[in-house]
Amino acid sequence: EAGVAQSPRYKIIEKRQSVAFWCNPISGHATLYWYQQILGQGPKLLIQFQNNGVVDDSQLPKDRFSAERLKGVDSTLKIQPAKLEDSAVYLCASSLGHKTYEQYFGPGTRLTVT
Amino acid sequence: AQSVSQHNHHVILSEAASLELGCNYSYGGTVNLFWYVQYPGQHLQLLLKYFSGDPLVKGIKGFEAEFIKSKFSFNLRKPSVQWSDTAEYFCAVITGAGSYQLTFGKGTKLSVIP
Repeated sequence: EAGVAQSPRYKIIEKRQSVAFWCNPISGHATLYWYQQILGQGPKLLIQFQNNGVVDDSQLPKDRFSAERLKGVDSTLKIQPAKLEDSAVYLCASSLGHKTYEQYFGPGTRLTVT
Repeated sequence: AQSVSQHNHHVILSEAASLELGCNYSYGGTVNLFWYVQYPGQHLQLLLKYFSGDPLVKGIKGFEAEFIKSKFSFNLRKPSVQWSDTAEYFCAVITGAGSYQLTFGKGTKLSVIP
């Protein structure tokens, strides 16, 4: 079974630039999550999708972050404009359903904002 | 809001030593508890989980964890560690019947010396 795919694996940008990350969940997984993991901390949920609808985006900084999952499969997370404090690993995870609990994580995208 | 505390930032053990990593959460109601592990260069993966029933949970690779409700704790244990257990370990919690948001601790880095 293929795992959660993410790209790119690494990205370096300057502050005020924009960046986008892509995630393809495990086939058949209805729920998709984006997390931000800052160095030295645990992952923090940014947004959760159930199919193509948003379940929880309470911790997403909506003035600069946006995410979509238009066809209920893959998803993109965008930051525009980026700030220095956005430097982190962005993790995508998926699970079979909203109540299944077990989440499978991708390898992450390491973003460095200079 | 719920929070998860992991008391040890970095633990260094020799092979065959016993391991116990502490995890405490702050929520008085129903909880589901998890330990995730991230081996060097790999993505987060589930080590074990507690939903209900026997408070002593066994996971992969000889790990176990004990849920002690009165202490709000879910400590991870292994009687004899191996060099291959070198990794970062994250405790996480989902609280309540309607919330499926994973809240992670800051993680504990385990280094096992051969």
